[in-house]
Amino acid sequence: DAGITQSPRHKVTETGTPVTLRCHQTENHRYMYWYRQDPGHGLRLIHYSYGVKDTDKGEVSDGYSVSRSKTEDFLLTLESATSSQTSVYFCAISPQGALGGYTFGSGTRLTVV
Amino acid sequence: QQQVKQSPQSLIVQKGGISIINCAYENTAFDYFPWYQQFPGKGPALLIAIRPDVSEKKEGRFTISFNKSAKQFSLHIMDSQPGDSATYFCAASTETGTASKLTFGTGTRLQVTL
Repeated sequence: DAGITQSPRHKVTETGTPVTLRCHQTENHRYMYWYRQDPGHGLRLIHYSYGVKDTDKGEVSDGYSVSRSKTEDFLLTLESATSSQTSVYFCAISPQGALGGYTFGSGTRLTVV
Repeated sequence: QQQVKQSPQSLIVQKGGISIINCAYENTAFDYFPWYQQFPGKGPALLIAIRPDVSEKKEGRFTISFNKSAKQFSLHIMDSQPGDSATYFCAASTETGTASKLTFGTGTRLQVTL
């Protein structure tokens, strides 16, 4: 999607290994979000950021950490991947938070074996 | 705890028919209700949104109906087309400022048949 890039697009990793997903934006938007999408659960918020070094937890933050050292990059780290973290991860950006409308990336499909 | 409950989980509609997807919420502080559309392999995209000060909003073939007293809102797709086949998510938000974020429903997979 224009202005937002997620990497990698696909990843297979082993249980217990650390994994970092990257979200990069060129829109200079203040807000960035990480969601996971699972069948039957929809989109659930993991962490979000409202500025450089300003982050907060979402509803499913256990086992995840984030960092935002630059406006354009928001990193999601799985400290020690588990099979329950197998999911599709979406990053979203917004100029005004929820009211500004989210622009989502194309997602990262993560498989933990 | 699911703050935004969405139904049905899946829906099959014939071309030209009306597709209706429903959502209900508990948090009366929610004050912004968008719908997102997602095609396979893509991220969701904003389709239409409503604030609770109006009961209906229409954009082309897409209409949101909002019932504040019942804490329910729905998406109507008129004259449904095969190109509307996608997954639809309702969402809600209450906070503004630094805590602004969306809570999504579980999604409805719509299939429009010929």
